Amino acid sequence: SAVISQKPSRDICQRGTSLTIQCQVDSQVTMMFWYRQQPGQSLTLIATANQGSEATYESGFVIDKFPISRPNLTFSTLTVSNMSPEDSSIYLCSVMNRGGRGTDTQYFGPGTRLTVL
Amino acid sequence: SQKIEQNSEALNIQEGKTATLTCNYTNYSPAYLQWYRQDPGRGPVFLLLIRENEKEKRKERLKVTFDTTLKQSLFHITASQPADSATYLCALDMYSGYALNFGKGTSLLVTP
Repeated sequence: SAVISQKPSRDICQRGTSLTIQCQVDSQVTMMFWYRQQPGQSLTLIATANQGSEATYESGFVIDKFPISRPNLTFSTLTVSNMSPEDSSIYLCSVMNRGGRGTDTQYFGPGTRLTVL
Repeated sequence: SQKIEQNSEALNIQEGKTATLTCNYTNYSPAYLQWYRQDPGRGPVFLLLIRENEKEKRKERLKVTFDTTLKQSLFHITASQPADSATYLCALDMYSGYALNFGKGTSLLVTP
């Protein structure tokens, strides 16, 4: 399994500002993902963070709003830009190693709880 | 569109009983199905993975079944304990095959 940390763990931000969330893994991983979990809802995939190239975004999410970096196999950042109260959510980083049978599990970070006023 | 449905109502059971949670899906042909546990304010924690060609899988007090004809998975916790109280999420591989599509989860409360 992988140990994942996220910074910050929580933040309260003003409308119109931006916040960058960091995700650090204790070992090299193949895949890194960013999810959002709005209050009372399940997890929704924002994008797949690709090492050394542009992230792959899901429908409804765009790079201008959620720019993502992944400079190496252990680190990624997600920026929530020009925030509005609708962006208040928990943002979760997850990782996975593509491998053989039984290795397709995902490990999640503790999440970043964002409140936008 | 692909849908995953889990019981939206919380499940309350008495300690020692078996908890059974249901996950139904439509418009899917998943290669595998996973169950996660999520405690308040924390990220999901992986519990079990079952592949499309497996009918049942066990891990300690946990048992998962997978019926691809019914498009349903059942998640059982035997001899339940108050520490099992949490939200349990069902997840399927997305069309891309890598990331996961999650159900909304079922909240389980085990009372002494």
